[in-house]
Amino acid sequence: GAGVSQSPSNKVTEKGKDVELRCDPISGHTALYWYRQRLGQGLEFLIYFQGNSAPDKSGLPSDRFSAERTGESVSTLTIQRTQQEDSAVYLCASSFTDRAEQFFGPGTRLTVL
Amino acid sequence: QQQVKQSPQSLIVQKGGISIINCAYENTAFDYFPWYQQFPGKGPALLIAIRPDVSEKKEGRFTISFNKSAKQFSLHIMDSQPGDSATYFCAAIGVDSNYQLIWGAGTKLIIKP
Repeated sequence: GAGVSQSPSNKVTEKGKDVELRCDPISGHTALYWYRQRLGQGLEFLIYFQGNSAPDKSGLPSDRFSAERTGESVSTLTIQRTQQEDSAVYLCASSFTDRAEQFFGPGTRLTVL
Repeated sequence: QQQVKQSPQSLIVQKGGISIINCAYENTAFDYFPWYQQFPGKGPALLIAIRPDVSEKKEGRFTISFNKSAKQFSLHIMDSQPGDSATYFCAAIGVDSNYQLIWGAGTKLIIKP
């Protein structure tokens, strides 16, 4: 079956521009996570959606970052006024419930020039 | 108290040798400890996981050893192969982490042929 998909796979943008990253979770998965992974580093939690509950936004690094999810489907992560330090791979994961195995997408590599 | 400390940061092992990666935690409310494997350009994927009611879990060449009293757990890769070269992340989850995976910093493993 289809796994988690993310688009675009690569995004190069200029400092100050807004970017939108997309995640399509596995069908039926109620939980969806966004992580940031800088080069050679671990996973940094950004935001978590569980069903229709209010999202856990505790990991968002600044108010330039926001994310939305429509029901239990697609999610978009938006970064406004991008900065060079936003350059990283942005990973999306989904799971059947909030404590189940997380399945990761291939990530979006964001480069801010 | 929410941290998971992982070591070493990098590891080089000869083909056929045993690779050992260690993790330690403080939060006694953690009750599920997965290990994820990440190849370059890919998202992490669940490798093996353990709950604290057992001291060891083995799946093929991969074994998790769990020491509840010491609050430590480790991944052992027996007969390490070049195809095992990847970054390995330990993680933990429990009610006190609001069901969020708390990730270790990762170990880059290189298996020399």
